[in-house]
Amino acid sequence: EIVLTQSPGTLSLSPGERATLSCRASQSVSSSYLAWYQQKPGQAPRLLIYGASSRATGIPDRFSGSGSGTDFTLTISRLEPEDFAVYYCQQYGSSQYTFGQGTKLEIK
Amino acid sequence: EVQLVESGGGLVKPGGSLRLSCAASGFTFSSYSMNWVRQAPGKGLEWVSSISSSSSYIYYADSVKGRFTISRDNAKNSLYLQMNSLRAEDTAVYYCARRSGYPAFDIWGQGTMVTVSS
Repeated sequence: EIVLTQSPGTLSLSPGERATLSCRASQSVSSSYLAWYQQKPGQAPRLLIYGASSRATGIPDRFSGSGSGTDFTLTISRLEPEDFAVYYCQQYGSSQYTFGQGTKLEIK
Repeated sequence: EVQLVESGGGLVKPGGSLRLSCAASGFTFSSYSMNWVRQAPGKGLEWVSSISSSSSYIYYADSVKGRFTISRDNAKNSLYLQMNSLRAEDTAVYYCARRSGYPAFDIWGQGTMVTVSS
């Protein structure tokens, strides 16, 4: 089973700043099979990025994804107040899905 | 409007059973693989099970294999999760989610809470 490790666990930033979230896999992941989600308290997750770098429908262009192999990154270029949430990466392989443990993005 | 609505959650004793349902609307349900994902209180997301559009392919996480059964009824636009031999560690919000063309979940329900406790 591929394990995804997200860092940092918590990221404290201010609106307008740039956020960089990391997702590292225990073995190589196909870029086509790496996704990112945002979850706010009491809500279901929302798909942000699929295929490592493609934005889902309706996602603002301040969100971008990059990476390959075992290292992937979600970048939020200029934080808006509504961006403070928990972010998860997810991979698919061998007919199984796994999620990272999440990064909490909080207001500094 | 594309929508998934879960139901069937509740309080059940350890060793008991529960059947979750997920009603789909606003899209051609029979064309999509579907999934169940759970989230224990205060914890992260855990994929539980997936089923292909025609039910030909079914997969489970090791943590539920042999106890949970996923199924679907395309005529009723519905997804199900039969949960048997429930344990305290199965306590979670259970979400149904649609798989997009890529292996990512683009539509999620609001979730239904399952509590396993004596």
